[in-house]
Amino acid sequence: DTGVSQNPRHKITKRGQNVTFRCDPISEHNRLYWYRQTLGQGPEFLTYFQNEAQLEKSRLLSDRFSAERPKGSFSTLEIQRTEQGDSAMYLCASSLDPLGGYTFGSGTRLTVV
Amino acid sequence: DQQVKQNSPSLSVQEGRISILNCDYTNSMFDYFLWYKKYPAEGPTFLISISSIKDKNEDGRFTVFLNKSAKHLSLHIVPSQPGDSAVYFCAARGAGNMLTFGGGTRLMVKP
Repeated sequence: DTGVSQNPRHKITKRGQNVTFRCDPISEHNRLYWYRQTLGQGPEFLTYFQNEAQLEKSRLLSDRFSAERPKGSFSTLEIQRTEQGDSAMYLCASSLDPLGGYTFGSGTRLTVV
Repeated sequence: DQQVKQNSPSLSVQEGRISILNCDYTNSMFDYFLWYKKYPAEGPTFLISISSIKDKNEDGRFTVFLNKSAKHLSLHIVPSQPGDSAVYFCAARGAGNMLTFGGGTRLMVKP
């Protein structure tokens, strides 16, 4: 088991472009979470899946953001019409048991220029 | 509104001494608290947790204390080692299994 894998590690995009990130959780974990972290802040919750069902969405997740987990395994997070304020580290985490804490991936750092 | 706060952005400690990292929260509905450690260019790593029904949990050099009446928790690391130098986040679990994180404290352990 290689842990939670996120791709790409870094992404630089021009304002207005669409970007998509991928997260591969630990294989037996049925829960998958997306968080966003900006400089000097802690991670902020974006959305959460249990298997393929998206159960929670933060108000931070504007209409330009969409997340999917089509087969209950990997997940994608798409940002349409990127803005400079979207520049952040996007973290994915998975868990089997919420009491045990999440296992985070290394994140995708997005820079919108 | 910041429901979880870490008021010290940084802390410097001598190797071998105790490190105490503090965290305050406002939401009394939080039922579980966790500490994560983060190195640069890596995701946060789970360190230790505590249920709201307990006031102390210990794991090796790491101990977390919870004071529910004060809505305060702290992480004690003793003895501190240079490899402990990292950013530490406290997190609280609320409704929907989501975690709310504090802003982090950068710990520097000097040899």
